[in-house]
Amino acid sequence: NAGVMQNPRHLVRRRGQEARLRCSPMKGHSHVYWYRQLPEEGLKFMVYLQKENIIDESGMPKERFSAEFPKEGPSILRIQQVVRGDSAAYFCASSSRTSVETQYFGPGTRLLVL
Amino acid sequence: GENVEQHPSTLSVQEGDSAVIKCTYSDSASNYFPWYKQELGKRPQLIIDIRSNVGEKKDQRIAVTLNKTAKHFSLHITETQPEDSAVYFCAASVRDTGNQFYFGTGTSLTVIP
Repeated sequence: NAGVMQNPRHLVRRRGQEARLRCSPMKGHSHVYWYRQLPEEGLKFMVYLQKENIIDESGMPKERFSAEFPKEGPSILRIQQVVRGDSAAYFCASSSRTSVETQYFGPGTRLLVL
Repeated sequence: GENVEQHPSTLSVQEGDSAVIKCTYSDSASNYFPWYKQELGKRPQLIIDIRSNVGEKKDQRIAVTLNKTAKHFSLHITETQPEDSAVYFCAASVRDTGNQFYFGTGTSLTVIP
């Protein structure tokens, strides 16, 4: 049973470009969470999604950031017009409907903005 | 919203000694408290969790205690080994609603052989 998958693992963008981060939850999991981790800091919640629905986006910056979890395919975290301050590790986690509290994390995408 | 504080930020112990990491939380509605271990460049991995209806839980060398009244919980690692060296994060959430995790700022544990 494959774990949570994320790609790419590393992403380099220049200021002003767009970054797209993908997350495939564990098989059978319908809840996806995105977290951001700045260097030597803890993980900060960004957004919680279920299939085709955003449940809680209270941690998402109001501008440039968006997330989706379509009926088919992976969850996408999209950052438009990236700035240097967006450089971080972005982790997604998934949980199942029957054990919603237990979140399993993916390997993360390390975004570097030049 | 919830605020989770974690201490210490760094901890060094001799191999075989015990390590204790403490966290406090502010929201009395929080009822689920997982602990994650993150090795350098790796994903956070769940090592143990506790729910608010339990005061203590143990899994081999790892134990977690919860004091709901005082709103604090602790991770205890006994007989530490070099492979226990990592960053440990505590978190709090409201179970059953799939709510977000509020993470502590992490403790970098070094076990000296």
